[in-house]
Amino acid sequence: AQSVTQLDSQVPVFEEAPVELRCNYSSSVSVYLFWYVQYPNQGLQLLLKYLSGSTLVKGINGFEAEFNKSQTSFHLRKPSVHISDTAEYFCAVSSYGGSQGNLIFGKGTKLSVKP
Amino acid sequence: DTAVSQTPKYLVTQMGNDKSIKCEQNLGHDTMYWYKQDSKKFLKIMFSYNNKELIINETVPNRFSPKSPDKAHLNLHINSLELGDSAVYFCASSHWVQAQETQYFGPGTRLLVL
Repeated sequence: AQSVTQLDSQVPVFEEAPVELRCNYSSSVSVYLFWYVQYPNQGLQLLLKYLSGSTLVKGINGFEAEFNKSQTSFHLRKPSVHISDTAEYFCAVSSYGGSQGNLIFGKGTKLSVKP
Repeated sequence: DTAVSQTPKYLVTQMGNDKSIKCEQNLGHDTMYWYKQDSKKFLKIMFSYNNKELIINETVPNRFSPKSPDKAHLNLHINSLELGDSAVYFCASSHWVQAQETQYFGPGTRLLVL
């Protein structure tokens, strides 16, 4: 079974500051890793995902994440945030080789960007 | 064009009622899902359908029943609604039912049971 832990439920940050949202996972098998973003009153959309290859993954809106297998982490980073980045961010995993598309989500991190 | 749409957007109803939420995707995907997001924003998968076949059924009460008339639609019917059913329900779809596939989410249906 897999599980995902997002260590921070809320992250306040000033505009143009860098930000890191932390995600750790637990799994007995290899996993695929995802970050989704949910803007207020909207559905989720994919920011980026790690399937294989380079451990540094670049996504939309200037976000990137680094897969660290030894630390079982997949932290999300952005060097300079904007007001429009205010949203809920979800880390998720699915089992490598799994045929069911079953995404396991963390509990989310609310990013609040202040002017 | 909305890729994954849900109706209604808001649903307020009384305990004991039966209600349905509709979902449609125009992405040509083979797999559709239903998720429940509780008041603490925690998302959990309820069902998925691949080519009209149920392939995931997590520990969801049998009051919840997904119905898929065709590949582009996956509706969620809920019988005998309870207070604890209040949540946001998201429909999603993906190209295939593989673990690495990106899922595309609808805008959500906010259900409030009184």
